[in-house]
Amino acid sequence: GAVVSQHPSRVICKSGTSVKIECRSLDFQATTMFWYRQFPKQSLMLMATSNEGSKATYEQGVEKDKFLINHASLTLSTLTVTSAHPEDSSFYICSARGARGADTQYFGPGTRLTVL
Amino acid sequence: DAKTTQPTSMDCAEGRAANLPCNHSTISGNEYVYWYRQIHSQGPQYIIHGLKNNETNEMASLIITEDRKSSTLILPHATLRDTAVYYCIVPMTGGFKTIFGAGTRLFVKA
Repeated sequence: GAVVSQHPSRVICKSGTSVKIECRSLDFQATTMFWYRQFPKQSLMLMATSNEGSKATYEQGVEKDKFLINHASLTLSTLTVTSAHPEDSSFYICSARGARGADTQYFGPGTRLTVL
Repeated sequence: DAKTTQPTSMDCAEGRAANLPCNHSTISGNEYVYWYRQIHSQGPQYIIHGLKNNETNEMASLIITEDRKSSTLILPHATLRDTAVYYCIVPMTGGFKTIFGAGTRLFVKA
């Protein structure tokens, strides 16, 4: 299947700092990318959907000013957690899919964020 | 809310077939059924998907009922490495937004 990468795989930061997570589709053009968050022993929770060149659509309850999403190209989306706090510590996962109606959504390996 | 319901957990003996059911009674005519699995601390891995016909690939088989209200993922010869949470997903049309339910935690036992 197609490959989606995330960088970094793991990050530890101090409270109040900002952290950027990159999501790349390595072998296909990703018209749409999704960002999820997963807390321990819970399922994935969709945070936002982004289409290349457009503003992201955020799910209810997700602060768009805190979780900045940029999808500037067909192979790269970034999630920036601004002014991170310990409650933002989580496993962040991106996914990407192509433009066709039946295109499969492929997931990245995830980024473990720990805010001290 | 997720558009699918799955059992919370299942056990399977190593080497036997694992049959994981999923109900998606509100699925519409042009919506696909996708299956993913997630091994601890990794991103979900794509397994298989289908629309109406049964599908098979190197990982699994997908059986979709004629009315498309339910499906079954079959791992023909389960191994210990198949222990994971399996998610049955019906992405929304017009945006492909995907909402995850709780999935089925499959334990493959030696």
